[in-house]
Amino acid sequence: EMQLVQSGGGLVQPGGSLRLSCAASGFTFNIYWMHWVRQVPGKGLVWVSRINSDGNSISYADSVKGRFTISRDNAKKTVYLQMNSLRADDTAVYYCARAGYANGFDIWGQGTMVTVSS
Amino acid sequence: SYVLTQPPSVSVAPGKTARITCGGNNIGSKSVHWYQQKPGQAPVLVIYYDSDRPSGIPERFSGSNSGNTATLPISRVEAGDEADYYCQVWDSSSDHVVFGGGTKLTVL
Repeated sequence: EMQLVQSGGGLVQPGGSLRLSCAASGFTFNIYWMHWVRQVPGKGLVWVSRINSDGNSISYADSVKGRFTISRDNAKKTVYLQMNSLRADDTAVYYCARAGYANGFDIWGQGTMVTVSS
Repeated sequence: SYVLTQPPSVSVAPGKTARITCGGNNIGSKSVHWYQQKPGQAPVLVIYYDSDRPSGIPERFSGSNSGNTATLPISRVEAGDEADYYCQVWDSSSDHVVFGGGTKLTVL
């Protein structure tokens, strides 16, 4: 079964850091672009970042650029999101997703909640 | 930045056809993908490349895209189709992925 299993997340103080992980199984991880998407509970989906298959091309939403870093380890079949200088408005459920068809996301992780609060 | 506009809500009676729209400047020149999200669950891809269905998605789900509007028609709507639906494109000029604001489908 093709799946993405997320870990990390939790409660962090403003200005703090957190790293999310997303482990892939059941498919050839190293040929797919991977993305992170977030969603404030009760609100819509918002794209955060993406990384290409070998990790040498990356893009970020303006709201996280300079604070978040996406990376991947193809040997471990895992994509990461390092989040620094966290703010209250970063509070959301974070999803990792596989980009299948023309950057359509055909596999999603289960989501992990990140709460930024003092 | 590129903007996608969806109606906040659409209501339809069971057995009828629901049409959810997604507006964007010259969206017909882009590939549009659609997701269904039920409460407490991750989104599920229901349409990709404007009108293709992933395996396991019922034929009742279809799609079209032309001009400034993409549409997700859902025929013979069932109670289980009640969910939030999001359209999505990749904006090549910014290298950003863009989601619409989402449409809540209510089955009356």
